[in-house]
Amino acid sequence: GGIITQTPKFLIGQEGQKLTLKCQQNFNHDTMYWYRQDSGKGLRLIYYSITENDLQKGDLSEGYDASREKKSSFSLTVTSAQKNEMAVFLCASSIDGLGAETLYFGSGTRLTVL
Amino acid sequence: TQTVSQSDAHVTVFEGDSVELRCNYSYGGSIYLSWYIQHHGHGLQFLLKYYSGNPVVQGVNGFEAEFSKSDSSFHLRKASVHWSDSAVYFCAVSAASSGSWQLIFGSGTQLTVMP
Repeated sequence: GGIITQTPKFLIGQEGQKLTLKCQQNFNHDTMYWYRQDSGKGLRLIYYSITENDLQKGDLSEGYDASREKKSSFSLTVTSAQKNEMAVFLCASSIDGLGAETLYFGSGTRLTVL
Repeated sequence: TQTVSQSDAHVTVFEGDSVELRCNYSYGGSIYLSWYIQHHGHGLQFLLKYYSGNPVVQGVNGFEAEFSKSDSSFHLRKASVHWSDSAVYFCAVSAASSGSWQLIFGSGTQLTVMP
């Protein structure tokens, strides 16, 4: 079996700060995803990547950048932290992005903006 | 545009009770339907999925879900819940959009199992 590791587990930043979240997977999966989870809401897709150096925007990409420099890692940057961005960010991976595959999730990074 | 609706934000039952968590979707084309579970402080874990064939699909830990095209539903059921089933349950629809597939999640149902 594999695992998805997200670092850090908790991230505290200042309003306006640039913040980076990291994700590593050892499933050897092609596709990786970043989702944002707000309390009482479903997951919303920020970015996904179907292979190394590929980036695809999701519905919530504004205010974020992403980077997929290696197949095993996918990072997300909050370009300017805002107070209304306190949320949990979940990284996931899947074998490919063709619809029927199962997503495997990390345990999340909880962002708090002071 | 596909949507996923989970009408119950919270469901509370007692250990040993049966439970049904509801999921309705709107989309006219080919879709995949799935359920995920999230225990507090963890990421989501896959429970089961449906694409075609037998409308009742079995998942892990005694969970099953039934697809109904006429009702546009994919409700999750368990005959006898355990306290460890307390978690948030997410229904998800995967459908082709602009040449790629996207997974759309419902808002989740918090299941609380009382001892």
